[in-house]
Amino acid sequence: DAGVTQSPTHLIKTRGQHVTLRCSPISGHKSVSWYQQVLGQGPQFIFQYYEKEERGRGNFPDRFSARQFPNYSSELNVNALLLGDSALYLCASSPGQGTDTQYFGPGTRLTVL
Amino acid sequence: QQQVKQSPQSLIVQKGGISIINCAYENTAFDYFPWYQQFPGKGPALLIAIRPDVSEKKEGRFTISFNKSAKQFSLHIMDSQPGDSATYFCAASLIQGAQKLVFGQGTRLTINP
Repeated sequence: DAGVTQSPTHLIKTRGQHVTLRCSPISGHKSVSWYQQVLGQGPQFIFQYYEKEERGRGNFPDRFSARQFPNYSSELNVNALLLGDSALYLCASSPGQGTDTQYFGPGTRLTVL
Repeated sequence: QQQVKQSPQSLIVQKGGISIINCAYENTAFDYFPWYQQFPGKGPALLIAIRPDVSEKKEGRFTISFNKSAKQFSLHIMDSQPGDSATYFCAASLIQGAQKLVFGQGTRLTINP
C-alpha cells in the first residue's frame, strides 16, 4: 500500500508569494495533520482535519490555512510568504482521532528567497 | 507549559552500546508520549509510545522509561546498530487531542561501527 504522499517535493518561492502544498493520506485514513519543521528543530503542529472539518489549530498566523477534500486529501496554503516560512512541511494521516498512530509523509521542502 | 525539552542534541555511541535520550515536559495534562525516528529525506516514523499509567514499555531493542513525578521520560536503544543512526524526537500530547503532537528539539544519534 502507498504511504502518505506529498507534492511537490521541493519548492522555491519569493517573499510575498503564495504557495499551495498537497497531501494524499493513506487509503482509508480520514484524519490529516500538518506540521512545520524548521531545520534543526522538531516539527510544530499547524492544523488537523478530520472528516473535512478543522479539529485543531496550532500557533500560526492567519496567513496559514488548510482544507480537506471529500476524498480526505488536503491542501495547506500559505499567503504572503516570509523568509521564516522556509521549512519542511510534513503531512501526517491516521485512521481516526485519539491515539491512532500518525503516519508522516516525506514532506515538502519550501525555500523562500 | 507546552514545551518538551530533549537532550542531548547529539549523541555518538559505539556499535553494541546503549543509546539513551531524555525528555522533560511541563504540562501535567499530557498523557501520551511517543518517540519518532527520522532519517534524512524522510518523514518521522513512530518507534514506540507510552501512556503515564505504566513506568516502562519495551519493544524489541527499544524501551521507554517514564517518571511521572519528575515529568521525564527517556528512550533506551539496546545493542545499538549503525542502522539506528538517525534523528530521534520525543513528543507529547493529550489523549483527547492526540493528533496535536508537541515535539522535542531532536537528538542526532550516530552509531560508530
